[in-house]
Amino acid sequence: GQQLNQSPQSMFIQEGEDVSMNCTSSSIFNTWLWYKQDPGEGPVLLIALYKAGELTSNGRLTAQFGITRKDSFLNISASIPSDVGIYFCAGLGTQGGSEKLVFGKGTKLTVNP
Amino acid sequence: DGGITQSPKYLFRKEGQNVTLSCEQNLNHDAMYWYRQDPGQGLRLIYYSQIVNDFQKGDIAEGYSVSREKKESFPLTVTSAQKNPTAFYLCASSITPLAGTQETQYFGPGTRLLVL
Repeated sequence: GQQLNQSPQSMFIQEGEDVSMNCTSSSIFNTWLWYKQDPGEGPVLLIALYKAGELTSNGRLTAQFGITRKDSFLNISASIPSDVGIYFCAGLGTQGGSEKLVFGKGTKLTVNP
Repeated sequence: DGGITQSPKYLFRKEGQNVTLSCEQNLNHDAMYWYRQDPGQGLRLIYYSQIVNDFQKGDIAEGYSVSREKKESFPLTVTSAQKNPTAFYLCASSITPLAGTQETQYFGPGTRLLVL
């Protein structure tokens, strides 16, 4: 089945630093989604990408839909302590004739003040 | 406010007991989903429903059951057959404009289930 490889698994950074994480796959996806999950809470949608090559920003967050449709990255600029959490990528792709959402295993971000 | 609510926030289950987790949405979304999340792991799909009175097994449906009698509600029952039920359970919903497709999913706040 389709799988997403999300990296890095965890990151420890200083406040103010920029962050980059990515998801790759051997399968093609039609939509890429990036979520953030705070401890004990449900994931919250950050950015949705619908077109290959699309670059979208949401405040200090920027995400891109890879031109091959097999990857996506998320950048966070000038990190702050409230950026702490787990970031998940998710791809919508066709499997067995129907669309299915596949999740990466997450990148755990720790920001030191 | 439109959104997805899950209750309770924490739930304790005794050995051999069935428990039901509630999920309600007022977003008028057609599709609803249940995921299980274990520490350090991604989300694994338990069941999903694209329309009222219909639901499909996900990747880890064994030991779970669901119903979809109303568009707004998709309760999940963790049965005694689920031998390792301790996990964080997440409900999600989405619009499904076309059969066989999915749209962006929005999540509830989750229910943490603990076995006594």
